[in-house]
Amino acid sequence: DSGVTQTPKHLITATGQRVTLRCSPRSGDLSVYWYQQSLDQGLQFLIHYYNGEERAKGNILERFSAQQFPDLHSELNLSSLELGDSALYFCASSVDPGATPRSYEQYFGPGTRLTVT
Amino acid sequence: AQKVTQAQTEISVVEKEDVTLDCVYETRDTTYYLFWYKQPPSGELVFLIRRNSFDEQNEISGRYSWNFQKSTSSFNFTITASQVVDSAVYFCALSEANRDDKIIFGKGTRLHILP
Repeated sequence: DSGVTQTPKHLITATGQRVTLRCSPRSGDLSVYWYQQSLDQGLQFLIHYYNGEERAKGNILERFSAQQFPDLHSELNLSSLELGDSALYFCASSVDPGATPRSYEQYFGPGTRLTVT
Repeated sequence: AQKVTQAQTEISVVEKEDVTLDCVYETRDTTYYLFWYKQPPSGELVFLIRRNSFDEQNEISGRYSWNFQKSTSSFNFTITASQVVDSAVYFCALSEANRDDKIIFGKGTRLHILP
């Protein structure tokens, strides 16, 4: 158990809909990362939040957005869903990346499997 | 640009055999981090090891060992005396210290340990 929790575990929805995925990081971790894992694209970094602020964006579509709340949990919002958005969405957390030496271990949650029909 | 190549898509070995998973990386930075993660059939990603670019010492943890060679930009992972529970997809990954903390993953190697 990594200490990172994600809800829901499974989500089935229709094209055009909007969903919200939730992540709670490990206790003490200020950074939250979102990844998408699909068969054709593999594991892709989406976005990184640190202590409530967006730090970096990866291959995240404009239809997707995320935020990190004061209690450090994060939500990934996916809208206007398409069949191709079906994937496993992982959240990961890590210790303060500004620490010296910088620590980059990212601990992953169990993932949310999204199926768009 | 960052890139991680795991040329072995799928490997099958018989239990108790040793197996090495290859990982070759590309980066322009002098400071970077390399990782291995395991994804068992249950789907979660399990952190195995992190190595920074200044530490080329090989590491051993039980039946697992890692060989980091900067000269060939490789970070290979060996499982000794493999067990059925080692069956999983293994991902090698790279993060550049001066970038935005994101990790770039290889495509993964699916390892089957046959009883």
